[in-house]
Amino acid sequence: EAGVVQSPRYKIIEKKQPVAFWCNPISGHNTLYWYRQNLGQGPELLIRYENEEAVDDSQLPKDRFSAERLKGVDSTLKIQPAELGDSAVYLCASISGRGTGGADTQYFGPGTRLTVL
Amino acid sequence: RKEVEQDPGPFNVPEGATVAFNCTYSNSASQSFFWYRQDCRKEPKLLMSVYSSGNEDGRFTAQLNRASQYISLLIRDSKLSDSATYLCVVDSWGKLQFGAGTQVVVTP
Repeated sequence: EAGVVQSPRYKIIEKKQPVAFWCNPISGHNTLYWYRQNLGQGPELLIRYENEEAVDDSQLPKDRFSAERLKGVDSTLKIQPAELGDSAVYLCASISGRGTGGADTQYFGPGTRLTVL
Repeated sequence: RKEVEQDPGPFNVPEGATVAFNCTYSNSASQSFFWYRQDCRKEPKLLMSVYSSGNEDGRFTAQLNRASQYISLLIRDSKLSDSATYLCVVDSWGKLQFGAGTQVVVTP
């Protein structure tokens, strides 16, 4: 079974440029998460989708970040414009369940390592 | 105060020794608890769930103390391959919160 797929794996951009990350979750997984992980820190949730609905985007900096999961399958996370502080690893994860619990079936993609110069 | 806190370490452990560390959480309504392992420059992967009665998986033992709001992980007979960062994860109604991780370095 294919795991969570993310692309690109690495991205280097200059500040003020836009950038987009793509995630394809495990087939059949309804719940999709985008996390940001800074060096030496744990992943921090940006947004959680249940199918195509964003059920928790409270920690998404909406002035510059946006996300979509139009058909309830793959998802795109965008930053426009990027700032120096956005340099981090952006992780996508998916679980098959819904709502409560589920971290025991959560699978992460390899992440996109973003460097903003 | 962070909702999930861990000692960042590093815990330097001789091969074959035992190491244990804790994670504290602030939300008493949290439902589920997990330990994840993250290798350098890799994604986190589930190590084990943590149950109220405590549970073992081979050399790994996890405990939950709801009264004091902490979970623990103990690694017996440490192997070089156990070197990693161990992330504590607390699940509150589908919202997963990660600790910053505890680094374990097993030395020959």
